[in-house]
Amino acid sequence: SAVISQKPSRDICQRGTSLTIQCQVDSQVTMMFWYRQQPGQSLTLIATANQGSEATYESGFVIDKFPISRPNLTFSTLTVSNMSPEDSSIYLCSALGTGQSYEQYFGPGTRLTVT
Amino acid sequence: GESVGLHLPTLSVQEGDNSIINCAYSNSASDYFIWYKQESGKGPQFIIDIRSNMDKRQGQRVTVLLNKTVKHLSLQIAATQPGDSAVYFCAEISSNTGNQFYFGTGTSLTVIP
Repeated sequence: SAVISQKPSRDICQRGTSLTIQCQVDSQVTMMFWYRQQPGQSLTLIATANQGSEATYESGFVIDKFPISRPNLTFSTLTVSNMSPEDSSIYLCSALGTGQSYEQYFGPGTRLTVT
Repeated sequence: GESVGLHLPTLSVQEGDNSIINCAYSNSASDYFIWYKQESGKGPQFIIDIRSNMDKRQGQRVTVLLNKTVKHLSLQIAATQPGDSAVYFCAEISSNTGNQFYFGTGTSLTVIP
């Protein structure tokens, strides 16, 4: 299994500012993902973080708003840019292991509130 | 993404009873399904998975059933315990969509002592 940590665990930000969320995995993984989860709702995939290349974004999410980096196999960042109150949510990082299984491990999430 | 949804948003069961959580999916090409448990303030935790070439898979106190004909997935929890109280999500994955996971709506399970 893989253990995933995220920083910060929560933050309160002013509208118009940007926040970068860090995700660290304790072992090498094949794929890393970023999700958004509104309280009490399901997870929505934002993008797949690709190592050494641009992230692959889902419909409705764009690089200018959610730039993502993945400089190596164990670390990724998600930036929420030019924030508005609608960006208030929980942001989750996840990773797929290197084995045959599709078992996906999740970080504890970052709770973002934009005022 | 593909549509994966749950029939019941909330479920309350007595401790010791069996729980059944249902999920419908729309992508007939999905070849892998997973159930996750999410406790308050935590990320989702893997429970059990099933491949599309299987109808049933059992784990410790949990069983997943897959009916491809009606595109339906269920999670059965035997002898439900208070620690099972959480939100449960089904997720589907299709190798022809780049191995992305798509999550269902979620069911909140409350176990009554």
